[in-house]
Amino acid sequence: DTAVSQTPKYLVTQMGNDKSIKCEQNLGHDTMYWYKQDSKKFLKIMFSYNNKELIINETVPNRFSPKSPDKAHLNLHINSLELGDSAVYFCASSRGTSGGNRVTQYFGPGTRLLVL
Amino acid sequence: AQTVTQSQPEMSVQEAETVTLSCTYDTSESDYYLFWYKQPPSRQMILVIRQEAYKQQNATENRFSVNFQKAAKSFSLKISDSQLGDAAMYFCAYRSSGGGADGLTFGKGTHLIIQP
Repeated sequence: DTAVSQTPKYLVTQMGNDKSIKCEQNLGHDTMYWYKQDSKKFLKIMFSYNNKELIINETVPNRFSPKSPDKAHLNLHINSLELGDSAVYFCASSRGTSGGNRVTQYFGPGTRLLVL
Repeated sequence: AQTVTQSQPEMSVQEAETVTLSCTYDTSESDYYLFWYKQPPSRQMILVIRQEAYKQQNATENRFSVNFQKAAKSFSLKISDSQLGDAAMYFCAYRSSGGGADGLTFGKGTHLIIQP
């Protein structure tokens, strides 16, 4: 079974559309994250969720909104998509927030988003 | 804010030889975690190794080992007996030890080429 899964793996859409990316983890972890990897492969944290509370929002435009229906899921909603949103988006999870083994993050396979 | 620097955009090594990837970081914290992740062409982010800053002993995982120099803020990855499957982007990452759900701060990555 896949530990951290994302759907879809690929997403092609028009500028101005609204889209969602789903993330699920079956590891029993408490904390989930969203990262953006740009065309130069640079990875940057977007959001973190712990016990259904948003912990970090790294100056991401408010067109992006994470939603966590339960501890195992953290979905990413994007409104009014722009060309610059094209990137690979990774979901990740960790067991907790302190302690070496607990803070280690495990990543999903990524979702490649292309905005035309 | 913490920064992570990988000064080698690309490295090349012959199969079966040893290669060392460099990483330096900047932080004012005394306790933190450091990671190396591997990203092969499949795009999956795979944890290679983790180091807790309070541990003096360098972490090792089979053919992978680190040279952690806390005073110099250096965290290099050594890959012994390089194999074709080691070809990938390698990312160095930093995480604060704070109790919050901190995300990882990544370097820009090193593209490792394995020559047969």
